[in-house]
Amino acid sequence: QVQLQESGPGLVKPSDTLSLTCTVSGFSISSGYYWGWIRQPPGKGLEWIASLYYTGSRYYNPSLESRVDISRDTSKNQFSLRVSSVTAADTAVYLCARIGSPDYWGQGTLVTISS
Amino acid sequence: EVVLTQSPATLSLSPGERATLSCRASQSIHTYLAWYQHRPGQTPGLLIYDASKRAPGIPARFSGSGSGTDFTLTISSLEPEDSAIYYCQQRNNWHTFGQGTRLEIK
Repeated sequence: QVQLQESGPGLVKPSDTLSLTCTVSGFSISSGYYWGWIRQPPGKGLEWIASLYYTGSRYYNPSLESRVDISRDTSKNQFSLRVSSVTAADTAVYLCARIGSPDYWGQGTLVTISS
Repeated sequence: EVVLTQSPATLSLSPGERATLSCRASQSIHTYLAWYQHRPGQTPGLLIYDASKRAPGIPARFSGSGSGTDFTLTISSLEPEDSAIYYCQQRNNWHTFGQGTRLEIK
């Protein structure tokens, strides 16, 4: 059974960097599929942030690319997201997912940007 | 950058009726399109991938069609639990989503 779990701080100050980690069990992130980060701001739709192919190639939403970095630690079977210079507009539920068929999602973690 | 536009924004139908949801891409994405169902408080669930292939465990009343820039999700006979927001996602380059269609079951 493939499972994903997001972890990271729930509160980040404006202008700081948001850092989240997705821990994957039941499947190696270097064996196949895309591994992605998606967010949903309160009352809004899903927004794709970034994806990491199992080969290590990275893909970013052009609207966020200048502030976002996706990386991985294959020894821990984890992949991570960093969003720099955050503002209140970055407040959202952040979800990690294996993109493919079947796909698997973490439960999501709410990150609030506030001083 | 590929932009996905979904229509209508909201759809209100009765149980047993047929729902037709549209997703239009700003440039060709071949058949690299997926459809998700998102119920409140749950994670999005994959319904359709590669435009027309049903994901494992998805009932046959859900079907997808289209290629290039125009895609359709059809729910042949609505059930109360189909009330949700439906998103299309392109997988041609990157993984962007449409803005969603809210389906309400009367």
